[in-house]
Amino acid sequence: QKEVEQNSGPLSVPEGAIASLNCTYSDRGSQSFFWYRQYSGKSPELIMFIYSNGDKEDGRFTAQLNKASQYVSLLIRDSQPSDSATYLCAVIKAAGNKLTFGGGTRVLVKP
Amino acid sequence: DTEVTQTPKHLVMGMTNKKSLKCEQHMGHRAMYWYKQKAKKPPELMFVYSYEKLSINESVPSRFSPECPNSSLLNLHLHALQPEDSALYLCASSREVPGAPNEKLFFGSGTQLSVL
Repeated sequence: QKEVEQNSGPLSVPEGAIASLNCTYSDRGSQSFFWYRQYSGKSPELIMFIYSNGDKEDGRFTAQLNKASQYVSLLIRDSQPSDSATYLCAVIKAAGNKLTFGGGTRVLVKP
Repeated sequence: DTEVTQTPKHLVMGMTNKKSLKCEQHMGHRAMYWYKQKAKKPPELMFVYSYEKLSINESVPSRFSPECPNSSLLNLHLHALQPEDSALYLCASSREVPGAPNEKLFFGSGTQLSVL
């Protein structure tokens, strides 16, 4: 089992719809969770982070964390073509461990 | 200044060449990282420097040699690389120490390396 798993996609979403991305992790002691966005040919950019169970909203993005079920999700509301990118989930296990990336989910928003 | 600057942006080298990748940040971050990323794969951690000391080496072959001259600069020296080393090499920095709960990475734009 991979430490951090994501569906590779592509996740095809009509413009204006909600894109829902999921990420599961294997270490129950994981404590910090991040979403990075990476456009084709560019470097990753941090867009969301969450530490506590529940939802965290920032603009059109919502991160949801459920530690009991060991998953973290990212919702993109009112999806735009400019949201087309690969979204990388990253997790820090117990303190002192390095950041571990999932394989990424490619999102395509179609006009 | 909220940027991590990497040079060069592109590099083509032969298997007998010696070259260096450079990374610079002026955000006062104390941790600096080298990642390697192949197409359609996530970034793979290579090295981490924390307070200018090497804190993580992910069993990277010795043909890759990192150097941290000061808190703002990070180099990656390359020697006798193989074609399979062709990839995007990303530098990143973080205000927090590696593994801290709020470790947020700021990435540079990367160096696209081709080894012939």
